[in-house]
Amino acid sequence: KAGVTQTPRYLIKTRGQQVTLSCSPISGHRSVSWYQQTPGQGLQFLFEYFSETQRNKGNFPGRFSGRQFSNSRSEMNVSTLELGDSALYLCASSPMAGAYEQYFGPGTRLTVT
Amino acid sequence: AQSVSQHNHHVILSEAASLELGCNYSYGGTVNLFWYVQYPGQHLQLLLKYFSGDPLVKGIKGFEAEFIKSKFSFNLRKPSVQWSDTAEYFCAVTVNGNEKLTFGTGTRLTIIP
Repeated sequence: KAGVTQTPRYLIKTRGQQVTLSCSPISGHRSVSWYQQTPGQGLQFLFEYFSETQRNKGNFPGRFSGRQFSNSRSEMNVSTLELGDSALYLCASSPMAGAYEQYFGPGTRLTVT
Repeated sequence: AQSVSQHNHHVILSEAASLELGCNYSYGGTVNLFWYVQYPGQHLQLLLKYFSGDPLVKGIKGFEAEFIKSKFSFNLRKPSVQWSDTAEYFCAVTVNGNEKLTFGTGTRLTIIP
């Protein structure tokens, strides 16, 4: 089975712009979770989607949003980018809802200048 | 809110040495506990998990972890490390009724041949 794929792998944006990141889960997996990884804050949970519905949300401002499509692919959007949004954004998929066994993708490295 | 502490930020060991990485969490209820590993240039992957039952959990590549409820700990152990164990190790927890995965800040392990 192919693993979790994320596109793009690297992205450079300017403050104030918006960005959309994409995640394709492992075939058959219906849960997709997003995490932000930074050197200072470590890995922080953003949100989880299951069957096109947001199940859980972390403590991030409303500029961070996401959605899931009927084929379980997910997108994450960050509007009005700030320098502090520079991070590695990781997507993880799971066959069931919740954090019971997650398979992570390689991440998208976002740099905001 | 739950939190996870990994007090060892960087551990350096020689091959064949024994390993113990500390992980403590702050939540008094039912928890699910995980160790994830990130090898250089690779995705984050699950090493082992504890949900219930035997508090001594065995994972891949000879790793094990022991859940000690009275100490709120889930330390990772390996009796004899190899150079290929060089990686970053993350402890994570979910608490009963809240399936957000909370990660520790990670421990970088360097094995010297």
